[in-house]
Amino acid sequence: DTEVTQTPKHLVMGMTNKKSLKCEQHMGHRAMYWYKQKAKKPPELMFVYSYEKLSINESVPSRFSPECPNSSLLNLHLHALQPEDSALYLCASSQEELYSPLHFGNGTRLTVT
Amino acid sequence: KNEVEQSPQNLTAQEGEFITINCSYSVGISALHWLQQHPGGGIVSLFMLSSGKKKHGRLIATINIQEKHSSLHITASHPRDSAVYICGAGGGTSYGKLTFGQGTILTVHP
Repeated sequence: DTEVTQTPKHLVMGMTNKKSLKCEQHMGHRAMYWYKQKAKKPPELMFVYSYEKLSINESVPSRFSPECPNSSLLNLHLHALQPEDSALYLCASSQEELYSPLHFGNGTRLTVT
Repeated sequence: KNEVEQSPQNLTAQEGEFITINCSYSVGISALHWLQQHPGGGIVSLFMLSSGKKKHGRLIATINIQEKHSSLHITASHPRDSAVYICGAGGGTSYGKLTFGQGTILTVHP
């Protein structure tokens, strides 16, 4: 069992829908990450939050909007996505930003129709 | 040229064999991560190292900072080791950013 919980596990949405991905950890980690992974490719960093503040935005389109309501929760709000945004979205956390091991969730497999 | 290069891309082994996966990076780093990803998507962090060598069970990771090279070794491989192994270089000039290699697909046959 992973200590980073992501919901939902699967999501199918239309291009006009608004949905949110959720990520939760209770390990007291202060850094949280969103990654996007296409099939047979390594994960690509999207966002990093450190101490609940956005630390890195890897030039992600504005149709992806991250939110860190508190130190345990990380959301990714989705709006007006494109079919090419279909991918596995992985959340991870670490004690501090990248100087400690990463703990990954099992991901949300997103399909945009 | 990618900043993080892994070799081989695909590796097939028989159960019990000793396995080595290599990772070379061209950027300055603060830490090198080795990850394991099974079919279905879950990723497990195996090692994070910035110098020397670490061992966990049958897995050993080494790093040579001067040569910008890291290796992941699996001793007495088992079919359950079949997975994608990914190395990621973190920190350096891009504080907080982890750059991944393309991954090595390992298949261990019984």
